[in-house]
Parts: sequence; C-alpha cells; structure tokens
Amino acid sequence: SQQGEEDPQALSIQEGENATMNCSYKTSINNLQWYRQNSGRGLVHLILIRSNEREKHSGRLRVTLDTSKKSSSLLITASRAADTASYFCATEGYGQNFVFGPGTRLSVLP
Amino acid sequence: EAGVAQSPRYKIIEKRQSVAFWCNPISGHATLYWYQQILGQGPKLLIQFQNNGVVDDSQLPKDRFSAERLKGVDSTLKIQPAKLEDSAVYLCASSLMGAKETQYFGPGTRLLVL
Repeated sequence: SQQGEEDPQALSIQEGENATMNCSYKTSINNLQWYRQNSGRGLVHLILIRSNEREKHSGRLRVTLDTSKKSSSLLITASRAADTASYFCATEGYGQNFVFGPGTRLSVLP
Repeated sequence: EAGVAQSPRYKIIEKRQSVAFWCNPISGHATLYWYQQILGQGPKLLIQFQNNGVVDDSQLPKDRFSAERLKGVDSTLKIQPAKLEDSAVYLCASSLMGAKETQYFGPGTRLLVL
C-alpha cells in the first residue's frame, strides 16, 4: 500500500507561528496532493506536487517532496485561526488511485 | 461554477435498513468518486467511475454496497442492509479526467446507523 501517513497526528500553535506537517508513504508515487478539511465541511484541495517536482508554493503554503525518502512536508507560514483544520496527504501510485492518510489535526490558537 | 452537490446531508437509519445517497458532479467532469470517511480517519475510496464505467471498486463491500452512474453524470450509492459500522460521512468527488487531476469534493452525507 502506498498510503500516506501524516505526522504529527495533532499540532497546536499560536497565531502567527509556522506549522509544519509531514507525510510519509511506502511505494513509488505519480503525484501527491494535500487537502484541508474544516470541522463539518468538505475536503478542499490545497496543492498537487508531481513526482518530478521538489517544491511548490501557493500563497502561505509551501510543499516539498523527497522521493528518495518517500516523504513530503506541508509548511503553513504566518498561521491564522482560520487555518485550524485537519490536513490530509493523498498519494497516487502508478496505476493506482489516491489513498488518503489519517490526517494531522492543526489547532491555531489566537 | 457550481460545486459538487450531495443529498441528503444527514441520514439516521436503523441497522438492516436501506439507504441511498445522491451526487451531482461538477458539469463536464468525467470522473466521479465515492469515499467513506469514518470519524477521525482519512477518506477511503469506495468506487471510481470514468463517465458511466467503473474504474476501481476494489474497496467497495459488494455484498451490501452498490453504486451506479447512469448517463455518466449523476450517481447514487446504496447500502442494503446497513450495519452499525457503516456510520460515517460519505463523500462524493469529481475531477476532469482521472486521479491525476484535482478532485473537488461535495459537502458529504453524514450517516448514523442505530
């Protein structure tokens, strides 16, 4: 299984601080995506990074991918209370569909 | 652009009853997915359609779950009979063409089986 495993399971930070979440997977992937899920709301796509890319940015988000270590990280800079959510990585293996990890629960305290 | 629509938003049933969920994907999206998300876990893919054909249903419990996508647009997911462990949020998502594209999720249907 190429299921991603997020680390840590839960994270609490103060507003304005940076938050870093990691995702590890087991087999080679085609691409990796990060999603956010607010309490009681649906999943929202944040960023997609392909296996031949090493880093992508989107606003306050920075995603890195290290295929040699089979890991990815999501960095949220200058966090806000509205960033409080669960964050999931989803991996797509060759010929396989997306598999979501169990998620990291982020709490941003005012 | 309208998003993925799902109904109902909430459903409470007793075990051994039947239930059906409906999904209307984003217009023009060929690929439709049904996920099951149990509380505290990530979504688990149940079935993926490409137009009206099934691409992947390897994790669909076929003894009780069924899904169809007639005419390659709307889709329904049915559970018959329901078990207590089916209590979860059922998410529908769509994408332009396959898993290589961004998936857009609906608000989900929260099912409670008593």
